[in-house]
Amino acid sequence: NAGVTQTPKFRVLKTGQSMTLLCAQDMNHEYMYWYRQDPGMGLRLIHYSVGEGTTAKGEVPDGYNVSRLKKQNFLLGLESAAPSQTSVYFCASSNRDSKMNTEAFFGQGTRLTVV
Amino acid sequence: GIQVEQSPPDLILQEGANSTLRCNFSDSVNNLQWFHQNPWGQLINLFYIPSGTKQNGRLSATTVATERYSLLYISSSQTTDSGVYFCAARQGAQKLVFGQGTRLTINP
Repeated sequence: NAGVTQTPKFRVLKTGQSMTLLCAQDMNHEYMYWYRQDPGMGLRLIHYSVGEGTTAKGEVPDGYNVSRLKKQNFLLGLESAAPSQTSVYFCASSNRDSKMNTEAFFGQGTRLTVV
Repeated sequence: GIQVEQSPPDLILQEGANSTLRCNFSDSVNNLQWFHQNPWGQLINLFYIPSGTKQNGRLSATTVATERYSLLYISSSQTTDSGVYFCAARQGAQKLVFGQGTRLTINP
């Protein structure tokens, strides 16, 4: 049981380049999230999804796009990377709220540097 | 949306000491979790505790949902307990919101 897997683990981009971060979960969770963590700070929500084919904006969505074409995958795209997007990116997944356990599980993080 | 506040922001203790970390949240929740971020940056699930009390070894947590707070207790601290502790909360079908964390340093 792999849980939540993020690809890649590290990446260096030049300003203006584009890239896609992949998050895959094997727990059949409905909810998936993308967060960023800057040095010395907590986690801020970029975008999230409450089910296949749906996405919603979080606290800091500007400069990012997401897609949830398959239930198990949640992609985070940077169309034109900027140095301000240098950060550690975390993906998470959880069950939907109801009578289920809604505990969220996190991937190992992707360290992105934009130069 | 829900607001999550943690205290204290920093805590420095000697090995063997006990500690209590607090998490206040602004509204009712159906998800309250505690995480430990280790020095390598990994987020480790400690407790899923929207209400009640749980214990896992030297760690325990209590959430009093009606008063909108949760406490994380660490007993007989070890240097490996160092790191940042986060709580996160979710209200209904909303996003999971994190507090700013408590940085715990355990000195030998």
